[in-house]
Amino acid sequence: GQQLNQSPQSMFIQEGEDVSMNCTSSSIFNTWLWYKQDPGEGPVLLIALYKAGELTSNGRLTAQFGITRKDSFLNISASIPSDVGIYFCAGQNTGTASKLTFGTGTRLQVTL
Amino acid sequence: ETGVTQSPTHLIKTRGQQVTLRCSSQSGHNTVSWYQQALGQGPQFIFQYYREEENGRGNFPPRFSGLQFPNYSSELNVNALELDDSALYLCASSVDRAHEQYFGPGTRLTVT
Repeated sequence: GQQLNQSPQSMFIQEGEDVSMNCTSSSIFNTWLWYKQDPGEGPVLLIALYKAGELTSNGRLTAQFGITRKDSFLNISASIPSDVGIYFCAGQNTGTASKLTFGTGTRLQVTL
Repeated sequence: ETGVTQSPTHLIKTRGQQVTLRCSSQSGHNTVSWYQQALGQGPQFIFQYYREEENGRGNFPPRFSGLQFPNYSSELNVNALELDDSALYLCASSVDRAHEQYFGPGTRLTVT
C-alpha cells in the first residue's frame, strides 16, 4: 500500500536541541495528523491539522500543514529523553472511509 | 473515560489457522478502523466499520473480514493465516468517521 515519505529516517540529537522532520506525499490530503509510537504500543495522536497553511502547537510540538496540501512538518523544541520514539505523519481525506495513510516514520533518539 | 482496548495482547498461530482479534472503542466513538503494521513500517489500512457496516477497505484479500457490534466494539477475523500476516494489528476509534483516530495498544500476531 501507499506510504508517505518521511525524512529524516532517523536522528540522534542531544537533550535540549530542537528537532525538525517532514512528510511529503504525491497526492493531496485535506487533513494531516502526527502520531508518536513507543515500542510495542499503539500510535498516540500528537497534533491534527485541518487547513492548508495552518500552524498548530501542542506544548513543545509545532506542526504545519503545507500550502500545497502535499506536505507537513513537525518541530520539537528543547527535546527531552521521553521524546524518544518513532514519529509518524498520516494524511487523510474525509469521505466514505476516512482512512489514514501513514508515512514511513522518523526514529528519534535523544542522548543526554 | 476509557480509551481503546484490544485483546489479546499477543497471539501465536500456525499457518493455515484462523484468528479473531477484538477491539473496544473509546466511549462515545461509533467508528472503528483496523490497521496492520509490519515490523519497521507504518500502519496500513485494512478496513473501517461505521454503524455496523463496512465503510471502506484497503488492499487486503477477502480472508480478512470484520464485524462491528451494536455497542461499537469490533472484531477482525483472518482466515487461512500466512507467514506474512505476522504483524502488529491496531484498532482505532473515532467519532462519526471524523478526522481524529485514537489507537489501541495493538495485538501482536505471530504466524509460524
